[in-house]
Amino acid sequence: AQSVTQLDSHVSVSEGTPVLLRCNYSSSYSPSLFWYVQHPNKGLQLLLKYTSAATLVKGINGFEAEFKKSETSFHLTKPSAHMSDAAEYFCVVSEADSWGKLQFGAGTQVVVTP
Amino acid sequence: DAMVIQNPRYQVTQFGKPVTLSCSQTLNHNVMYWYQQKSSQAPKLLFHYYDKDFNNEADTPDNFQSRRPNTSFCFLDIRSPGLGDAAMYLCATSRDRATYEQYFGPGTRLTVT
Repeated sequence: AQSVTQLDSHVSVSEGTPVLLRCNYSSSYSPSLFWYVQHPNKGLQLLLKYTSAATLVKGINGFEAEFKKSETSFHLTKPSAHMSDAAEYFCVVSEADSWGKLQFGAGTQVVVTP
Repeated sequence: DAMVIQNPRYQVTQFGKPVTLSCSQTLNHNVMYWYQQKSSQAPKLLFHYYDKDFNNEADTPDNFQSRRPNTSFCFLDIRSPGLGDAAMYLCATSRDRATYEQYFGPGTRLTVT
């Protein structure tokens, strides 16, 4: 069985400061992990993915995430937040035996203040 | 260069009046998915097509049906919409199953009056 826990439902940061979104997962098999972003009234956009290659994954728009198996974590970071980063972020897990079905976390709402 | 297209973007229907939402893709992907997303919630998978093979989630109401006439198009039919069916409906595609990332369309916001 697989599950995802996003540890913060809301995160507020000032423009230009670092962003940290925390995600823990539970998986019986070797998982693939994803971060998606959703701006208001838009679809989901893939930020980055981990599929058992390098543990530090770089994505679009300056985001990166580190896979830590010992901690079962896949936290998302960005060194400097922009106003355009204000959105909902979903941590997602998919197991090799689950035909690719995605298990979504509850989401983290990011607010960026000037 | 839109890859997953959903029409319409906004749909208003009356209680009990059938409605169809449309999704098309230019990626030639084998798998197409329909998700329901209610306000401030994560997307919930309704069903998916692996090529022509239809796969329904166990908890998807019978009120929801889907058709995939060809590789590029997939439709979501809601036979008798209730007020609780008001939501964002997201279509997604993936090249194949088994951990390939999914590409999402912009969604259709359904309002039921």
